[in-house]
Amino acid sequence: DIQLTQSPSFLSASVGDRVTITCRASQGISTYLAWYQQKPGKAPKFLIYGAPILQSGVPSRFSGSGSGTEFTLTISSLQPEDFATYYCQHLTDYLPWTFGQGTKVEIK
Amino acid sequence: EVQLVESGGGLVQPGGSLRLSCAASGFTFGSYWANWVRQAPGKGLEWVANIKQDGSDKYYVDSVKGRFTIFRDNAKNSLHLQMNSLRAEDTAVYYCARTYHSSGWYWGFDYWGRGTLVTVSS
Repeated sequence: DIQLTQSPSFLSASVGDRVTITCRASQGISTYLAWYQQKPGKAPKFLIYGAPILQSGVPSRFSGSGSGTEFTLTISSLQPEDFATYYCQHLTDYLPWTFGQGTKVEIK
Repeated sequence: EVQLVESGGGLVQPGGSLRLSCAASGFTFGSYWANWVRQAPGKGLEWVANIKQDGSDKYYVDSVKGRFTIFRDNAKNSLHLQMNSLRAEDTAVYYCARTYHSSGWYWGFDYWGRGTLVTVSS
């Protein structure tokens, strides 16, 4: 199975901060990576796919980059509604489509 | 509006069975791969199974192979997960999710239901 390791697992930040979350894959996955945001008690929300492509309706302060084994999710200016847990997921030919362990972004 | 609504969760004893359902609306259900994803209390997301548009291909995470069966009824716009031989470690919120596909590839899960809680306990 392809393992995805996110770092950090926990992040404390302030409104307006620039935040970067890293997702590392145990083998090359080209750009077949998606990012999700999940708030407590809610279903995940689809944010980014194909590594850098923003899903429709997602604010432009979110961006993604990377290919191969290293990927990043960046929030350029953290807003109050962005405090949540973020997950990466690969969607290659190699099932299972695993998720990273998650990165919880909390208010400093 | 795309909607996915899960049902069928509840409390079941170890070794028992449960069938989850997901009612889809607002899109052509039969045109999309569909998935079950679960989340144990306080834990991360785990992809469980998926099924091709016509039901001809199905895939499972190793931990549920031989115990869970995914199937769909496109005429009724519904997705199901038959869960047998349930274990305590199957306790989780189970979400159904639609696979977004474009240009011949799969890019993520663009719509999710709210989830249904399955608790396996004596």
